[in-house]
Amino acid sequence: DVKVTQSSRYLVKRTGEKVFLECVQDMDHENMFWYRQDPGLGLRLIYFSYDVKMKEKGDIPEGYSVSREKKERFSLILESASTNQTSMYLCASSLTSRKETQYFGPGTRLLVL
Amino acid sequence: LAKTTQPISMDSYEGQEVNITCSHNNIATNDYITWYQQFPSQGPRFIIQGYKTKVTNEVASLFIPADRKSSTLSLPRVSLSDTAVYYCLVGDSNYGQNFVFGPGTRLSVLP
Repeated sequence: DVKVTQSSRYLVKRTGEKVFLECVQDMDHENMFWYRQDPGLGLRLIYFSYDVKMKEKGDIPEGYSVSREKKERFSLILESASTNQTSMYLCASSLTSRKETQYFGPGTRLLVL
Repeated sequence: LAKTTQPISMDSYEGQEVNITCSHNNIATNDYITWYQQFPSQGPRFIIQGYKTKVTNEVASLFIPADRKSSTLSLPRVSLSDTAVYYCLVGDSNYGQNFVFGPGTRLSVLP
């Protein structure tokens, strides 16, 4: 069974803080993704990575950066958290082939005060 | 990008068959159609995937017409535990930017 874990289920931060969200997968997947989910908007892709040290912007990359130093770990960084980044953050991974599905972690609910 | 359109919400009763249709008019040749289910406070979970015609597994069936511009997820005899949000996703997982999740369909199963 594929397991995708996220470092925290709930996180409270203050405006301007630097925030790190960690994601780890245990199935040697090539692709990893970060989404945010807000009511009425579904899931929106922030960044994804298809290999170590490789990253591509998704639909809403502004205010975020990512790091993938090891294949199993994909970090999302909020350089200076703002209140409009309060959201549920979901990490996912998938194998490299075209039809492989994404496996999601449980999510991190971030509140920025 | 292949955007998708689904009903925002649907209601059903226990034991009924539920069909949720997703429109994806500009689906590309390489794109697969994947459906996910999401319960509150959890990440989405894969239900079924197809490319064309019909796919069936132990959970659901997926019907895809020849033009592939739409697809229908069919849940047989739903129960209360099927209450969730269902997402239709069209894309190519090889390049993540081609994946677009819409707002999904909130299915409420009533007793």
